[in-house]
Amino acid sequence: NAGVTQTPKFQVLKTGQSMTLQCAQDMNHNSMYWYRQDPGMGLRLIYYSASEGTTDKGEVPNGYNVSRLNKREFSLRLESAAPSQTSVYFCASSGVRGRTGELFFGEGSRLTVL
Amino acid sequence: GNSVTQMEGPVTLSEEAFLTINCTYTATGYPSLFWYVQYPGEGLQLLLKATKADDKGSNKGFEATYRKETTSFHLEKGSVQVSDSAVYFCALMRLTGGGNKLTFGTGTQLKVEL
Repeated sequence: NAGVTQTPKFQVLKTGQSMTLQCAQDMNHNSMYWYRQDPGMGLRLIYYSASEGTTDKGEVPNGYNVSRLNKREFSLRLESAAPSQTSVYFCASSGVRGRTGELFFGEGSRLTVL
Repeated sequence: GNSVTQMEGPVTLSEEAFLTINCTYTATGYPSLFWYVQYPGEGLQLLLKATKADDKGSNKGFEATYRKETTSFHLEKGSVQVSDSAVYFCALMRLTGGGNKLTFGTGTQLKVEL
């Protein structure tokens, strides 16, 4: 009963370092998303993948890249981390027929950039 | 563009009190509206939704009615419990053919005390 699994749950980086957040879902969903959550700003969409093989920018894509590795996995990469990227990152998936708008979220990855 | 405005928190209530969390939206066309809930240390999960004007979504004693004339989707519960303490997010979605992209409000923290 895993749902959406994100790794790592916590990470501390220095400015300029790179890292990849991993996300996998076992619900056979077509669409996957990466959001960031910041105090007072709610959740903002970074990138999404409507289906395997496609990716598109969301509201705040600068400084990030994504890869939809297969239907299950959608990774988020920070090539050169900046303090402004300190945030909690959530991966989500959707695609249950008849349940439009229902996203299933992972537990989040807390990233601190020093 | 699309946007969602929620009342600022935290909202602190005594157990069995009546809850209202206000949500208004700006969008063209006819969006679907959602309330998501985030319990401490967890990802968001769908609480309820409404897909057209005058629809009422309900779940776990919570209700919200889609009011197109006032562009609102206020969340209500008649008698809150300590276990309802969480952050509540209002969100909207417009079908664009590119996955279920949601626009979230900033979230309202609810604290329920004995």
